[in-house]
Amino acid sequence: NAGVTQTPKFRVLKTGQSMTLLCAQDMNHEYMYWYRQDPGMGLRLIHYSVGEGTTAKGEVPDGYNVSRLKKQNFLLGLESAAPSQTSVYFCASSSPVSTSGSEPLTDTQYFGPGTRLTVL
Amino acid sequence: GQNIDQPTEMTATEGAIVQINCTYQTSGFNGLFWYQQHAGEAPTFLSYNVLDGLEEKGRFSSFLSRSKGYSYLLLKELQMKDSASYLCAVMDSNYQLIWGAGTKLIIKP
Repeated sequence: NAGVTQTPKFRVLKTGQSMTLLCAQDMNHEYMYWYRQDPGMGLRLIHYSVGEGTTAKGEVPDGYNVSRLKKQNFLLGLESAAPSQTSVYFCASSSPVSTSGSEPLTDTQYFGPGTRLTVL
Repeated sequence: GQNIDQPTEMTATEGAIVQINCTYQTSGFNGLFWYQQHAGEAPTFLSYNVLDGLEEKGRFSSFLSRSKGYSYLLLKELQMKDSASYLCAVMDSNYQLIWGAGTKLIIKP
């Protein structure tokens, strides 16, 4: 199992450009999340999804859009990148019920390796 | 507002014991998580507490007092590989995780 994967790992954008970050999980998890992590701050939730075809706003959704067309994929889009969106972006997934005997408990979030985005 | 407080940085010696504290004020409580995050890597799950008391898992233990809004992570027999940031997160009444800024732990030989 690959767990949670993210592409790309690094990206540099110019102000105003757009891009899509892809997150994929092979653990059959219902829930998926997009966070950003900035120095000196805790992880902040951008958007999340509780199932295929559903999305919801988190704490800092402005400037981002998401889609969950397939259960295993969660896409994060930046429509018009701004320097304030320079950050490390993490995707995570979890399940409200155990999907395998190896999980320690439900609702534990498992993270992808992150995408480092710089907006110039 | 919701708030998670933990020290920004701590230093400890290899082989020693260190306690990382976390205090929280959240709207509701559905459990407290500790994650480890090595520099440049993803957070990984360490422990979960939902009832008061101590949960032990090898060299790591986590304690919770819901009445005090307080938790700590205890690391014993410190190893150099324990140098990392330790993140405290509380699941609120909406089942959203509220994250602390993390405690950077530096282990010295």
